[in-house]
Amino acid sequence: KQEVTQIPAALSVPEGENLVLNCSFTDSAIYNLQWFRQDPGKGLTSLLLIQSSQREQTSGRLNASLDKSSGRSTLYIAASQPGDSATYLCAPYTGTASKLTFGTGTRLQVTL
Amino acid sequence: NAGVTQTPKFRVLKTGQSMTLLCAQDMNHEYMYWYRQDPGMGLRLIHYSVGEGTTAKGEVPDGYNVSRLKKQNFLLGLESAAPSQTSVYFCASTLLAGVGGELFFGEGSRLTVL
Repeated sequence: KQEVTQIPAALSVPEGENLVLNCSFTDSAIYNLQWFRQDPGKGLTSLLLIQSSQREQTSGRLNASLDKSSGRSTLYIAASQPGDSATYLCAPYTGTASKLTFGTGTRLQVTL
Repeated sequence: NAGVTQTPKFRVLKTGQSMTLLCAQDMNHEYMYWYRQDPGMGLRLIHYSVGEGTTAKGEVPDGYNVSRLKKQNFLLGLESAAPSQTSVYFCASTLLAGVGGELFFGEGSRLTVL
């Protein structure tokens, strides 16, 4: 059974800092991995989707890397802004039962 | 383009009552999912569907039933609600599970069972 761990569980940084969120998973036989953002009281929004054959995926100030063999992914946020404050979740997809397995997320707060 | 729409957004039930949550997507997606989200436990898959007329159990299916009579709709039913089913329920859909399968979520349905 796939298990997903996200560290840290919570993070508070001043505006402008670069930061890294970590995601580790136990089953490395994944097809892809997605990073999501969730604002309080809202649904999840997909930020980046990395296929198993890729090492990195970039969108604006976000960069996600994937090391499938070691079961790790990182989400790098450059020049953080207060609007980045949210919970970030990673979800690797193993193809079993056509589902993703979610981590419990990292709650990020970017302060002025 | 509405994406994934869930109704209702909020509901309060008494123990033993029944209700149905509706998920509708307008993206012609094949795969649809129902998750529940509880503090400290992340999202857990309840049931999912890989196409019209098909459904399958996920990680926590007990106490729930689903139907996918139309491709665009996925219904989640609670026949006899219990306090343990108090949660936020999310519906999601994707065109292709796995390769290239970006997942789209609804805004959630907050259910309280007294």
